[in-house]
Amino acid sequence: NAGVTQTPKFRVLKTGQSMTLLCAQDMNHEYMYWYRQDPGMGLRLIHYSVGEGTTAKGEVPDGYNVSRLKKQNFLLGLESAAPSQTSVYFCASRPTGLSYGYTFGSGTRLTVV
Amino acid sequence: AQSVTQLDSHVSVSEGTPVLLRCNYSSSYSPSLFWYVQHPNKGLQLLLKYTSAATLVKGINGFEAEFKKSETSFHLTKPSAHMSDAAEYFCVVGDTGRRALTFGSGTRLQVQP
Repeated sequence: NAGVTQTPKFRVLKTGQSMTLLCAQDMNHEYMYWYRQDPGMGLRLIHYSVGEGTTAKGEVPDGYNVSRLKKQNFLLGLESAAPSQTSVYFCASRPTGLSYGYTFGSGTRLTVV
Repeated sequence: AQSVTQLDSHVSVSEGTPVLLRCNYSSSYSPSLFWYVQHPNKGLQLLLKYTSAATLVKGINGFEAEFKKSETSFHLTKPSAHMSDAAEYFCVVGDTGRRALTFGSGTRLQVQP
């Protein structure tokens, strides 16, 4: 099984450009998450989804949008990229039951210049 | 809301000596607690988890953690450090409000030969 797959792995954007990060999981997990990781700040929750067709804001949602049209996919969009969005982005999924913990993707390193 | 505080941003040990990474948590109920490890330029891997069973939890690669409710702590230990343990370690708590995991800011473990 592939687990959680993120595409792309690396991307460089110019300020004001848009892009979509794709997260796909093949474990039939209900819950999916997008985090960003910045030095010294751990991982901060951007948006999450508790099932197909649902999304909710996390700790740092501004400047991002998400969609979960299919259970296995969770898309993170940047409509107008800013240098402050330079970060490493991680997608994660889990089954019902928070005690299971997450399965993480390998991350997307995004640089906005 | 639940939160975790990792008390050391950097820890340096010699190979073969014990490792102690400290974590305090804040939660109004019995939490789910986790330790994740991230090797350089890699994704995150679950080391161990506490979910209200035994208070001493054993994880992979010889790591263990003890849940101490009276001290609100969940410190990570290993009897003898190996060079391959050099990585960043995150203490994590389950946030039932958001149905997500909340990450500490991380502790970078350096292992000297």
